[in-house]
Amino acid sequence: QLVLTQSPSASASLGASVKLTCTLSSGHSTYTIAWHQQQPEKGPRYLMKVNSDGSHIKGDGIPDRFSGSSSGAERYLTISSLQSEDEADYYCQTWGTGGVFGSGTKVTVL
Amino acid sequence: EVQLVESGGGLVQPGGSLRLSCEASAFNVNNNYMSWVRQAPGKGLEWVSVIYSGGNTDYADSVKGRFTISRDNSKNTLFLQMNSLRVEDTAVYYCATRGFFDYWGQGTLVTVSS
Repeated sequence: QLVLTQSPSASASLGASVKLTCTLSSGHSTYTIAWHQQQPEKGPRYLMKVNSDGSHIKGDGIPDRFSGSSSGAERYLTISSLQSEDEADYYCQTWGTGGVFGSGTKVTVL
Repeated sequence: EVQLVESGGGLVQPGGSLRLSCEASAFNVNNNYMSWVRQAPGKGLEWVSVIYSGGNTDYADSVKGRFTISRDNSKNTLFLQMNSLRVEDTAVYYCATRGFFDYWGQGTLVTVSS
């Protein structure tokens, strides 16, 4: 069964970096995933797609301080130079027989 | 600039029906696959349904047999017909594009309550 696993929370100081992890279930380590950001009281926004080779394709207008990478069954989202507006929920997502979402990671900017 | 605008949400009693719409601009609904995704209050994102470019459809088990996805090519609009609504269908419903949801609408709130 295709499952995406995310840590529930992460935090870092203003101006620092944070790295979020999304782990693909066994047998699905080659899947491409997408990262979506949801700021408080707003709808989701597509950030980027991350392939198994670590290459990533960002959405329109996504700042350079957002980047993606991969290692095995893990897909990462790194946010550098954290800003207050980066405080949000971050969901990873992929496609099996339909859309599959991770449970989300809440990022707190200290 | 791609824009997706949902409408049709509201308050409905259990067992009732609603029809959601998602009007697209600068994006061809007919040539791409489109999904509905929902978010219950305080919860995460849940995929609901997809319509592929060829017209095939698929649904999450939680809505199969009750919801129907469709599109009107002349209006460049996606629909979700929701029947036999349950309290647990209460959520904000979003339309989103393609397999990795590279564009999202702003959402429309559906509240199922007596």
